[in-house]
Amino acid sequence: DAGITQSPRHKVTETGTPVTLRCHQTENHRYMYWYRQDPGHGLRLIHYSYGVKDTDKGEVSDGYSVSRSKTEDFLLTLESATSSQTSVYFCAISESGDRNTGELFFGEGSRLTVL
Amino acid sequence: QKEVEQDPGPLSVPEGAIVSLNCTYSNSAFQYFMWYRQYSRKGPELLMYTYSSGNKEDGRFTAQVDKSSKYISLFIRDSQPSDSATYLCAMEGAQKLVFGQGTRLTINP
Repeated sequence: DAGITQSPRHKVTETGTPVTLRCHQTENHRYMYWYRQDPGHGLRLIHYSYGVKDTDKGEVSDGYSVSRSKTEDFLLTLESATSSQTSVYFCAISESGDRNTGELFFGEGSRLTVL
Repeated sequence: QKEVEQDPGPLSVPEGAIVSLNCTYSNSAFQYFMWYRQYSRKGPELLMYTYSSGNKEDGRFTAQVDKSSKYISLFIRDSQPSDSATYLCAMEGAQKLVFGQGTRLTINP
């Protein structure tokens, strides 16, 4: 199994509070991604990183920010959580950014509920 | 219209049956086609990867791509209860990777 750890695995919070999810990898892969998974939508890319301090937006980035100060850590922050951000969040890593092999390695997910 | 359409199921079949999972797509720029398997409460894992039209076989699994019809399939032969999972198709091209919404499959002993 790829060495990817997400924390927390479960969180319940209230609308308007800040939330930070952490992804930690031990594979030294350059590329890291945050996805959210919702019924009817599949996996959708929030933000990704192609190196330390190098990040870019995905298709559903509004309301989210990310930071990567070390190769192994990629943080996803919800500055002011809303109920529409209730979801399961997956971190993924890959060796290659062009993903021609399609091989993303996923963490086990962080289940966030915003009341 | 979504770029990738996948029937969410659920699909329930008896053990030993042949299973067919399908996705259609609209973006002709997609060149790489993947199937991921996701067990309950786990992250997805890559199951099959194909490039271009045709078939690719790996044990009991066969991935089929028909670019002219913009249609991909995953066949599972001699299905086992351990194959019960959600299967997501994914497609890549023009610097984007798009996932289908997943089909939940249950194999009944």
